Parts: sequence; structure tokens; C-alpha cells
Amino acid sequence: AQSVSQHNHHVILSEAASLELGCNYSYGGTVNLFWYVQYPGQHLQLLLKYFSGDPLVKGIKGFEAEFIKSKFSFNLRKPSVQWSDTAEYFCAVNARGFQKLVFGTGTRLLVSP
Amino acid sequence: DAGITQSPRHKVTETGTPVTLRCHQTENHRYMYWYRQDPGHGLRLIHYSYGVKDTDKGEVSDGYSVSRSKTEDFLLTLESATSSQTSVYFCAISETQGADQPQHFGDGTRLSIL
Repeated sequence: AQSVSQHNHHVILSEAASLELGCNYSYGGTVNLFWYVQYPGQHLQLLLKYFSGDPLVKGIKGFEAEFIKSKFSFNLRKPSVQWSDTAEYFCAVNARGFQKLVFGTGTRLLVSP
Repeated sequence: DAGITQSPRHKVTETGTPVTLRCHQTENHRYMYWYRQDPGHGLRLIHYSYGVKDTDKGEVSDGYSVSRSKTEDFLLTLESATSSQTSVYFCAISETQGADQPQHFGDGTRLSIL
């Protein structure tokens, strides 16, 4: 069975600090990987996705993520966070050929101005 | 944003009562999903549908049933609500099987069972 681990449950940063949120998954086969963001009081929105090709994926709002197959990781990064990045971030994985998307438990990011 | 409407947006009810949540989409997508979101658990799949009258269980399906009589509507029913079903419920849709198309989420329904 697939599973996803997000190591940091809460992260607090000052504006302009760099961000890296960890995501590891367990599944031996080919996977599709996603990061979703949920702003306060809103629904989940797709930040970026990896299906194949270049393991460095660029998403919206300056976010990027790197797929490292040997480490089963898909960490999310942003060089300089803004107050508006305050949100909860979810990593998700789908094993190729399976319908279900499995989510991590989420990381709450608070950016102080 | 994808055309997904969840109703009601908020509901408070008592233990033992039946509850039905509705998800309506205007995208004509084949796949629809119900998740619940709880602190410390992220999102967990309750049930999903891969076509009209075609549904399957997710990882936390006990106590829930679903129905899909039309492409655009996916109903989630709690036959006899329990306090453990207090949660935020999200509907999602996707165009194709697998994940080559991401899922798009509704705004959620906050359900409190007293």
C-alpha cells in the first residue's frame, strides 16, 4: 500500500526566508506526485505535479519540488516566502495504474510579516 | 476554478440522525471523490465514483454510503451519524483515471455531530 509522510507538522518562518517542506512516500513502483495548498478557509488547490521527465518541477507562485527517486522524496521549496504563503501544504502520491490518491497529513506554514 | 458546488456548507446535527451531503459539478468529469479532512490525518478517501452508478470504497468507508444517479451529482450519506464523523468533507473531481489529470476540490462542508 502507498503511504506518504510529511515530517514537519508546523513551520514558522519570517518573510523572505527560504522554505523546504519534506515529503517521503513508500511505494516500490512508478508514482505520480503532487503538492496541494489550502489557504485558510479555502479548498485545496494544485501547486505542482510530477509525472515523468525532469525531476525538478516548477509550480505556481514560485514554488518548485524535486523528485529524488532513490530517496523516495518529493520536497517542496521556495527561495523567499511571503506572508501570503501562510497555508497548509499537502503532499500526495498516486501509484501508476491505481485510481486512489493518498495524502500526507499536511504541514501548516505560518509566515510572519 | 473547476465548477464544483458542495451543499450544505455547514451543518450541525445530532447523533443518530441521517445526513446527506451533495456534490454537484458542471465539468462533466467522470470521476468524483469524497474525502474527510481531520487534524493529524490529512485527507482520507471515503468513497469514489468512476461513472454513473459505479462506486467503490476508499480507506474510511465504514458508516458512509454514496450514490451517483447522474454524472453531475455525487451524494454522501451518513445513515446514522456519530460524533466520530464530525469533520470537514471535501468533494473532488477528475477528468480521467489515474492521476495524469489532477483532482479539483470543492469548498468543503463542515459537519458537526453533537
